[in-house]
Formats: sequence, structure tokens, C-alpha cells
Amino acid sequence: DAGITQSPRHKVTETGTPVTLRCHQTENHRYMYWYRQDPGHGLRLIHYSYGVKDTDKGEVSDGYSVSRSKTEDFLLTLESATSSQTSVYFCATRDSAHQETQYFGPGTRLLVL
Amino acid sequence: GQNIDQPTEMTATEGAIVQINCTYQTSGFNGLFWYQQHAGEAPTFLSYNVLDGLEEKGRFSSFLSRSKGYSYLLLKELQMKDSASYLCAVLKNAGNMLTFGGGTRLMVKP
Repeated sequence: DAGITQSPRHKVTETGTPVTLRCHQTENHRYMYWYRQDPGHGLRLIHYSYGVKDTDKGEVSDGYSVSRSKTEDFLLTLESATSSQTSVYFCATRDSAHQETQYFGPGTRLLVL
Repeated sequence: GQNIDQPTEMTATEGAIVQINCTYQTSGFNGLFWYQQHAGEAPTFLSYNVLDGLEEKGRFSSFLSRSKGYSYLLLKELQMKDSASYLCAVLKNAGNMLTFGGGTRLMVKP
């Protein structure tokens, strides 16, 4: 497993507040991903990064933004949290263009009240 | 778009063999992954198939038929610790887009 940590691991917030989740990796992997996991939907890609300051949208990017100012950190921001964003958020990393396997962090449980 | 279908739940007996199927429809197919996910934990990598055929790794094997859009994960000598969800995921367009099925929850009974 890549050394991937996520913080916070659990968070309760109120509708309308901004929330930032952090993914930190120690493996110097180039690619990083943010997914959400909901019952009945499986894992869905929110945003991904293919290098420092290089990011792109995934399947369910509305209401989310990301930033990657250094290789080891990938931040996911919910600009104004809504109850529909209550979910478990997973970060994943991938080494290079020739190594396809993604490795997942432990996840963040977010509850938006 | 792409559809990835796998059964929602399966039950099997300790020591037995179970096969979890996954069917998919997609363009630009670049491989298929299987992940294991225990309740409340992160998905962990099991296998990656890009060519047709069977790949064996200990008690777990994964099969792919690209022409049929079909894969299966075979678990032998089931153990109680194999109770988990098994996620099928299709890789598209050289690596940046991994699309997951809904997962199959496997319950292993004594």
C-alpha cells in the first residue's frame, strides 16, 4: 500500500459551510484521485490530478473543487456543503502512466446536517 | 457512458468456492480491476486483467473476456475473513478514469 492518510477521518458539519478534506501521500505518486462512495452507487470519481497544479473533473464534480500545490497533498473542498454530499470520501494514488493500480486511503466519513 | 453490472449480494459456505461475475459495456477499454473492501475500510487491490484469460493469485483468480465484456473473480477455500464487498472496476482511456460497479457483498457462513 502507498502511504496514504486522510484527514479528518470523521466530520460533522452544517449545510452551507465550506469543508476541506486533505489527502497526504508519502510515495511520491504522480496521480491522485478523489472518490465518493454511497450505497447503491459504488465509488464515483469526483476530481483527479495528474501532477502538481494539474487537475481535471470526474463524473460527479459539481459542488467540489480541488487543489494540488505539492506532490504529496491533494485537497478536496466542498464550497458550500449540502446534505447530498453526506458520504464517505476516499483518496487514491497511482504511481505513473505505466502502473495502472490505484491505492486507496482510509476514507473520511462526512455528515452534512 | 458505461454500465458495469455485478450481483448485489452472495452467500457461500466456509471452505467452498464462489464465483463473482461482472459484466460491462464500454468504449476505450483498457483493463479491469477487482478490489476487496471490508466494512468500514478502504478498498484494497486484488487483481488487474488487461488480456483475455485467467490470472491466478493464491486462493483468488480473475478471468477476463474482452469480446464478451465479462469478468469473474473466483475465490477458493473460502474463509470467514473473505466476508467483504468485492468491487469490479473498468479502466478507460489509459488510466485516468476508473469506473466502479456497485460491488458484491459476499457473506461467508460457517
